[in-house]
Amino acid sequence: ETGVTQTPRHLVMGMTNKKSLKCEQHLGHNAMYWYKQSAKKPLELMFVYSLEERVENNSVPSRFSPECPNSSHLFLHLHTLQPEDSALYLCASSPSKGDTEAFFGQGTRLTVV
Amino acid sequence: LAKTTQPISMDSYEGQEVNITCSHNNIATNDYITWYQQFPSQGPRFIIQGYKTKVTNEVASLFIPADRKSSTLSLPRVSLSDTAVYYCLVRQSGGSYIPTFGRGTSLIVHP
Repeated sequence: ETGVTQTPRHLVMGMTNKKSLKCEQHLGHNAMYWYKQSAKKPLELMFVYSLEERVENNSVPSRFSPECPNSSHLFLHLHTLQPEDSALYLCASSPSKGDTEAFFGQGTRLTVV
Repeated sequence: LAKTTQPISMDSYEGQEVNITCSHNNIATNDYITWYQQFPSQGPRFIIQGYKTKVTNEVASLFIPADRKSSTLSLPRVSLSDTAVYYCLVRQSGGSYIPTFGRGTSLIVHP
């Protein structure tokens, strides 16, 4: 248990659906991250938030929309996804954006059908 | 960005010591070296971090030579549950660090 909780753990959605992934941390951290991990590929950084402000966006398609309403919660809104978006989506947090130790959640296994 | 190079995979047996070496030839003066462990379908977990010489905790040891161009993660007496992917990371140059992962080393421990 890392203190970072992701829900749901598994999600199957159609290409026309809209869904949201949720991440929650009560570690008092100020930085939160979304990563994508596809099969046999390294983790890809998607978004970084620092003090609820988005500071990094690694050219992620607009069908992925992040939201950080406060420093404890992070969402990833999904709409009109493609089958190739199927992956493990991981949330992480760290005390600040400059810290070297990040705490990861268990991830959401997303399947787009 | 200090690029890291690790072996893609390693095999070991229960009870053996495993050493995984990471090369980071262009590491910057203020960069730290961090190792993570990832089990299948789980998020990575921080294992250990160091700057120079040797660091040891309850999980592993990290050896860093004087030139800091490489580092070695040492896992003593591995068990089947140590089967995982191990990632070596180096702090990005420019100050503001964001954990950036490579392909890591897939360690398989056999009975």
